[in-house]
Amino acid sequence: AQKVTQAQTEISVVEKEDVTLDCVYETRDTTYYLFWYKQPPSGELVFLIRRNSFDEQNEISGRYSWNFQKSTSSFNFTITASQVVDSAVYFCALSEESGNTPLVFGKGTRLSVIA
Amino acid sequence: DTEVTQTPKHLVMGMTNKKSLKCEQHMGHRAMYWYKQKAKKPPELMFVYSYEKLSINESVPSRFSPECPNSSLLNLHLHALQPEDSALYLCASSPTGTAVNYGYTFGSGTRLTVV
Repeated sequence: AQKVTQAQTEISVVEKEDVTLDCVYETRDTTYYLFWYKQPPSGELVFLIRRNSFDEQNEISGRYSWNFQKSTSSFNFTITASQVVDSAVYFCALSEESGNTPLVFGKGTRLSVIA
Repeated sequence: DTEVTQTPKHLVMGMTNKKSLKCEQHMGHRAMYWYKQKAKKPPELMFVYSYEKLSINESVPSRFSPECPNSSLLNLHLHALQPEDSALYLCASSPTGTAVNYGYTFGSGTRLTVV
């Protein structure tokens, strides 16, 4: 069965610091999809990125970057020069190729960025 | 239109009340989902509808009754709830089949309090 582990429950950083959120996953499928979502205090889940299992290229989007390593089953997320608006709960999630099993979420990491 | 709209945003109900949560999308997605999220926990899947038919019920108590009257609308009927059912209820939609992995879109949720 698929599983996502986010070992960091809470992280607190000072504004402008870089921070990395860890995500480790388990799946028996060779084709799968990994996601990161942001959940601000208002509650909605905001999609950040999707990565399929065949694409190990790292991705950068502004201050956000993602490091996907199949060898360690990890999909880590780094925020560079953090800002107060980055404060939220961040979820890593996994979906297997068949599409029959919906998203499975990790427990989330609560990030607090202090001014 | 790339949104999933949930109403109401907040709901307070007594244990003997009957209420309904509503979810609507106009993206042509044929899969729709209900997730339940308790405080400081990840979203947990409740139900999945595919082509307006219930495809997954994650052993949810019968006091929660889902309904999918058409491809754009998903309801969750609530009856005789318990205080422990208080949570954020999130609706999501996606394409079906393997395309599901190209887009799960979440609504902003209904924050339910049972008194």
